[in-house]
Amino acid sequence: AQSVTQLDSQVPVFEEAPVELRCNYSSSVSVYLFWYVQYPNQGLQLLLKYLSGSTLVKGINGFEAEFNKSQTSFHLRKPSVHISDTAEYFCAVSGRNAGGTSYGKLTFGQGTILTVHP
Amino acid sequence: GAVVSQHPSRVICKSGTSVKIECRSLDFQATTMFWYRQFPKQSLMLMATSNEGSKATYEQGVEKDKFLINHASLTLSTLTVTSAHPEDSSFYICSARRRGGETQYFGPGTRLLVL
Repeated sequence: AQSVTQLDSQVPVFEEAPVELRCNYSSSVSVYLFWYVQYPNQGLQLLLKYLSGSTLVKGINGFEAEFNKSQTSFHLRKPSVHISDTAEYFCAVSGRNAGGTSYGKLTFGQGTILTVHP
Repeated sequence: GAVVSQHPSRVICKSGTSVKIECRSLDFQATTMFWYRQFPKQSLMLMATSNEGSKATYEQGVEKDKFLINHASLTLSTLTVTSAHPEDSSFYICSARRRGGETQYFGPGTRLLVL
């Protein structure tokens, strides 16, 4: 089983400031890691994902995240945020077997509401 | 791309009626689809996983007779909320995944309000 903890429920920042949204996970098996963004009254949009390889992954809208296996973290970062980045961000994990196949089920964190102020 | 649509986007119904929500993968074949429920200011909770052509697997605590899921084709899954009650009011989101894929692509969600 997996669990995901997003350490901050709300993160207010000013426009053009850097931001980091924290995510820690626990799992008894290897994992795939994801960040999704949800705008009000909408579904989830995939920002980026870590499957294997380089621990630094880049996604859409200038976001990036770094997988740290020893700290079981997958923090999301952006060097300069825009007003349009205001949304809720979800970290999610799915287990994978030795063959690299995903077990499929996503476990989500509680979400972090990012509010960008002018 | 990997586009998933849901219909309707919003539905209001009377208590006791049934409501069907459709989830379609528009540009890929989805061998697996997932149904989630999201309460206000909360995260997504997986309700069930459906594989094309087989019965859905429900999460613990989800009533299979109340939330009927059908995944009859590689591009369509439906969730029917039977005999809906006000406590079923929620935001329902589906996702779809390709065969052997690791990534779930989400639909825009359906807001259900039961009066």
